[in-house]
Order: sequence, then structure tokens, then C-alpha cells
Amino acid sequence: EVQLVESGGGLVEPGGSLRLSCAASGFTFSNAWMSWVRQAPGKGLEWVGRIKSKVDGGATYYGAPVKGRFTISRDDSKNTLYLQMNSLKTEDTAVYYCVRNRPFGCYWGQGILVSVSS
Amino acid sequence: QSALTQPASVSGSPGQSITISCTGTSSDVGAYNYVSWFQQYPGKAPKLMIHEVTNRPSGVPDRFSGSKSGTTASLTISGLQAEDEADYYCSSYTISDTHVFGTGTRVTVL
Repeated sequence: EVQLVESGGGLVEPGGSLRLSCAASGFTFSNAWMSWVRQAPGKGLEWVGRIKSKVDGGATYYGAPVKGRFTISRDDSKNTLYLQMNSLKTEDTAVYYCVRNRPFGCYWGQGILVSVSS
Repeated sequence: QSALTQPASVSGSPGQSITISCTGTSSDVGAYNYVSWFQQYPGKAPKLMIHEVTNRPSGVPDRFSGSKSGTTASLTISGLQAEDEADYYCSSYTISDTHVFGTGTRVTVL
């Protein structure tokens, strides 16, 4: 059974940093392309970014609102995906989902809440 | 990258068919056959219902179907059931190697 479990969320002040983790199981993580998607309270889904598998080059791609502030990485030895979030803004407040690609969105984690507030 | 345009709400009676549209541009929906549809219940993670325009993952009822014409994709729910009441989002791969979501549609079963 495929499982994606996010952790590391919480309350952070504007300008601060936070790192989310996503522990994956039930599939060959090292071959998977993975994404992060977020959803602000009461709002729609927003694509955050994607990382390819290392065998496919390991490239990362980001949405415009987070480019330059967020970094996606992976540790295939730990079957874990990361989202490093720096220079956080109040508009980054959202539930963050870890998502498996190919096809995009075939599996989702339960989501983790990140609140940016002073 | 602007969000794809969906109607805010669509409603129908049990047994009826409804269609949700998803309008993009030649840089996303019109560029590739990589349109997906997701169903989301309140407080829950989204679930993939359709991928690559027309493909249903295992376990998704065949009353859910997808199509595309030009820069507009559509999700049709035939034989609407009470359990179909949820939010639906489309998404598309883009020429910038990113993904973009639709604005979301609330489906109400009357």
C-alpha cells in the first residue's frame, strides 16, 4: 500500500524558515517523480513544485510564488522528500501535500498545516 | 501562470449528467494531453479521478469521464449520485514544465 506521510508543519513568524518532510512507502521511491501542492484555508489547490528522480536527472521546478524561496530535495536512502521553505510570508499559510507523479497526483499524503503569522 | 478557469458551482439531480469545464490556453491545456481531474471532500486530500484527459485510475467509477477540445477540457459525471457532491479541480502540465490547477468547482447534488 502506498503511503505518503508529511511532517514538520507548524506556526512560524513571517521571514522565518521551516522544513517539511514526506516519508514514502509502498513503492520504489527512488524511481518516483514527486511534487508538493498546497491549499490555503478555504481556497483552491496550488502547485508548489516538482523533483524528478535521480535517474531522470533529479531536476527541480517551482511555481512562480515560491521560486527562489522554496527548495525541494530528496533522500532516496531514507525514502523521504523535503520542502525547505525560507523567507516565509503570511500568504504561504496553507495545508501542504506531498504528491506522487506519473501520473501527476496519483497518490497524496494527508497534508500538513503551515501557519505563517506574527 | 494563471489558474485554469472552472465554473464556481455546478448542480444536478440524482441520476442526471453534469459537465464541468476547464479552460486554459495554448500553453497548458491546449499544448499537451496531460489534463487531470481531482475530487476533494472537505478536510480530505484530493483524489485522482481522470488523468491524461480520458484515463480513469483503477477503482474510479466509469460514470466519470473526461474529454478535451482545443484549450478546454471537460469532466462529465453521468448518473449523478449523492456521494459525488464534492469539490472538483482540473490540472494541466504546461510548456514551462510546471503544473497549473483550475479554480475549482463545487458540485451539489440536489
